[in-house]
Amino acid sequence: AQKITQTQPGMFVQEKEAVTLDCTYDTSDPSYGLFWYKQPSSGEMIFLIYQGSYDQQNATEGRYSLNFQKARKSANLVISASQLGDSAMYFCAMRTNDYKLSFGAGTTVTVRA
Amino acid sequence: GAVVSQHPSWVICKSGTSVKIECRSLDFQATTMFWYRQFPKQSLMLMATSNEGSKATYEQGVEKDKFLINHASLTLSTLTVTSAHPEDSSFYICSARMSGFAGDLETQYFGPGTRLLVL
Repeated sequence: AQKITQTQPGMFVQEKEAVTLDCTYDTSDPSYGLFWYKQPSSGEMIFLIYQGSYDQQNATEGRYSLNFQKARKSANLVISASQLGDSAMYFCAMRTNDYKLSFGAGTTVTVRA
Repeated sequence: GAVVSQHPSWVICKSGTSVKIECRSLDFQATTMFWYRQFPKQSLMLMATSNEGSKATYEQGVEKDKFLINHASLTLSTLTVTSAHPEDSSFYICSARMSGFAGDLETQYFGPGTRLLVL
C-alpha cells in the first residue's frame, strides 16, 4: 500500500522568507511520481510541482523547489520568498503505476506580513 | 493549459433526494477521471476511478450503489449521490487524466469542486 505522510499540520512564515514543507512517502513500486498541490480557501487544487522517481535532479518551478531524497523517501517542498497569496493548504501526493493519487494530510501555511 | 469544469459548483438538497455532479474536460480527451471527497480540514480521499466506456472502480469502503458513476464520453463523467443524507455533505472534486499521454511526466487536472450540503 502507498502512504504519504505530512507531519506539519500548520506552519507560519514571515513574508519574503522561505518555508519548507515536509513530505515522506512509502511505496514498493519502483516507478512513481510525486506532486505538490496548493489548495486555497476556494477549494481548487492548483498543481505546483512534479518529481519523477527516476529524475536525477530536483524539480524547480519558479519559487517552488522540491528537495527529493530518494533513499530517505522524502520529497519536501520549499517555497522561497513567501507572499501573502501563498497562504493556503498544501498537499503532497504520490502517483503509482495505476495512475491513482494518494494524498497526505496536508499542511496549512499562513504567511504573515 | 488543460481545463476541467464541474457543475454545479455548490448544491443544497433535502435528505433523501439524489444529486448529480458533472465533470467535464473542456479542451482535452480524458480516458480516466477520478472522483474525490474532501471533508473540512481533511485530505482528499479517492472514491472511485471512472474509465470511459466501462464500469467505475470503487475504493474500499465506498458504496457503489450510493455513488453512481457514469463515464459515457471522453469528456464527461458524472457522479450521482443517491438518496443523499446529511453525512454525505462534503466537497466533491474530480480530476481527469489526459488520453494518449503516457510516461513518467503526467499530471491530473482537477476540477474546481462541488460543495454539497444535505439538509
